[in-house]
Formats: sequence, structure tokens, C-alpha cells
Amino acid sequence: GQNIDQPTEMTATEGAIVQINCTYQTSGFNGLFWYQQHAGEAPTFLSYNVLDGLEEKGRFSSFLSRSKGYSYLLLKELQMKDSASYLCAGGGFQKLVFGTGTRLLVSP
Amino acid sequence: DGGITQSPKYLFRKEGQNVTLSCEQNLNHDAMYWYRQDPGQGLRLIYYSQIVNDFQKGDIAEGYSVSREKKESFPLTVTSAQKNPTAFYLCASSPLGESAFFGQGTRLTVV
Repeated sequence: GQNIDQPTEMTATEGAIVQINCTYQTSGFNGLFWYQQHAGEAPTFLSYNVLDGLEEKGRFSSFLSRSKGYSYLLLKELQMKDSASYLCAGGGFQKLVFGTGTRLLVSP
Repeated sequence: DGGITQSPKYLFRKEGQNVTLSCEQNLNHDAMYWYRQDPGQGLRLIYYSQIVNDFQKGDIAEGYSVSREKKESFPLTVTSAQKNPTAFYLCASSPLGESAFFGQGTRLTVV
């Protein structure tokens, strides 16, 4: 199967750190993608992990463990504009499959 | 500028009518995808294509059809067989196995 699971919703305060987890049970994925989607808009690419380990890109970092079928997105120094949905997606050489997304609400 | 363009942004359809959503990309990407998103939900894959003149069904292909006659274009037709077509439709393209870039989406409403 190609199940991708994420928490439905998370809340955090401005300036804090939040970790959004993603677990997947699939074969055929050669990497894990993270996208950000603001309400009513198209998703925008955040990060891509193809090897195990942590990829850091500014305030955002993403981690992958292929053996455990586990990834997380780490957001540091949260800002109000980070309130959005965060989508985990499994990518292979055939298709890109998304989880249901995690809605993050950042409060002052 | 390179990018992926969906049109129209908003579309209204009467029940029983077919409607075609346009998706064009000039990024020279091999793969193209169509997703459907319902309010508060994730993206569900309708159809995808890795090469011209070839495409595969995704998880929710019933009531939809596509064509890939040109590398740049991947139009989606929502047929009258789709019983609940009101949704936000997103087209994406990517090099094979790499990150996807999305169009701005088409919001389809059945009236």
C-alpha cells in the first residue's frame, strides 16, 4: 500500500519550534517531499529527502529514515505567516502521492 | 518566464455537462499530474503521465479523462459521470522522480 499519515492539526506559538511528523508504509518511493499550502493557494515546495538524515534549509529542516518509514519537518523561530497546511508526499519514478496534510496554527 | 499555467481560475458547470480544465507547462518536465482537493482535505491523485501519449489512473480516476498529446499540455475533462465534481483542481509537473511544481489551481463549482 501507499499510506501516508500525518497529524491533522497542530498549534504553536510565535518564536517556538514545531515538529510535524509523517509516517509512510510503501514501496516504490525514492524520496520524501514536504510542501507548504496556504488556504486557497497551490502548494509550494519546501524540501526533498532522498537519503537518510537531516536536510537543513534556513528555518526549515526535514529528516528522513527510510528503514522506519518516517520523516519530519522541523520549523524554527515560528512566524505568524507559517500558519498553513504542511503536506508530506512520497515520490517515486512513477507518481507523487500526498498525505492529508497537517494544519498548523501559529498564535501570538 | 518558465512555469505551469492552469486556466480558468474559477469555473462553473451545470449538472450533466462535461468541462475541460487546461494545464500547460514550459518547464520541459516529463511528468504531469492532476490532483483534486476538497475543503480541509489533502491532495488526491486523479491521473498522471510520465511521457507523451501515455497516462495512468490515480486513486480517483472515475468520472475523469485526460490526454497527453504534447509534452507541454495535460488537459483534464470532468465528465457528467463524476457525481461530486465541485472541488479545487491542481495540476503539477516535474522532472521524473523530482519535486513537483504546481499551477495556481482551478476551482470548479457545479451549479
